[in-house]
Amino acid sequence: GESVGLHLPTLSVQEGDNSIINCAYSNSASDYFIWYKQESGKGPQFIIDIRSNMDKRQGQRVTVLLNKTVKHLSLQIAATQPGDSAVYFCAENRFSGNTGKLIFGQGTTLQVKP
Amino acid sequence: GAGVSQSPRYKVAKRGQDVALRCDPISGHVSLFWYQQALGQGPEFLTYFQNEAQLDKSGLPSDRFFAERPEGSVSTLKIQRTQQEDSAVYLCASSLAGGGDTEAFFGQGTRLTVV
Repeated sequence: GESVGLHLPTLSVQEGDNSIINCAYSNSASDYFIWYKQESGKGPQFIIDIRSNMDKRQGQRVTVLLNKTVKHLSLQIAATQPGDSAVYFCAENRFSGNTGKLIFGQGTTLQVKP
Repeated sequence: GAGVSQSPRYKVAKRGQDVALRCDPISGHVSLFWYQQALGQGPEFLTYFQNEAQLDKSGLPSDRFFAERPEGSVSTLKIQRTQQEDSAVYLCASSLAGGGDTEAFFGQGTRLTVV
């Protein structure tokens, strides 16, 4: 079946280093992807999105890369800070008719070591 | 309010009890989604509303689950005869436009524990 998945359940980085979180998707028709951050006890928080007509998009300290050839996207966080510690989800917007729904992967836990 | 508000934050129900979970979306948002998040998992889609119309309920796990949004604003997710496998965090999200391809804002969720 179609799925969105992340490569690693846990990523541990040193404060100040760059972090790269990866995600693979299987639905080649998908054209909108979102990264969410979820802290303990909170709902997912939007970080950045990208549409399939782009291969890179930058935000504040974050960059999302989309490789449609291999159906892969990544989230890069520059100069990782302790406040970045959370679970990160990639999500694919799956359209059906005139509605869309987010399909989430299982998440990668980012641990930032001081 | 500024964001999506869900109540209650925590709910403990005895098995067999009915529960109702409330979602107040951001004012003016057309789309409203309900998701279920089991411990250690990503959120899973339950149902979608565009204004008051429930356009997709394909993710509802059984006929014990029912959602409504009668006036196109506040939504309620009702679970009848709760079972232990219903224990999860229930998340509500809203987005400004219809179609689901714009940023969705999530509430903090309701943690349901069925004992």
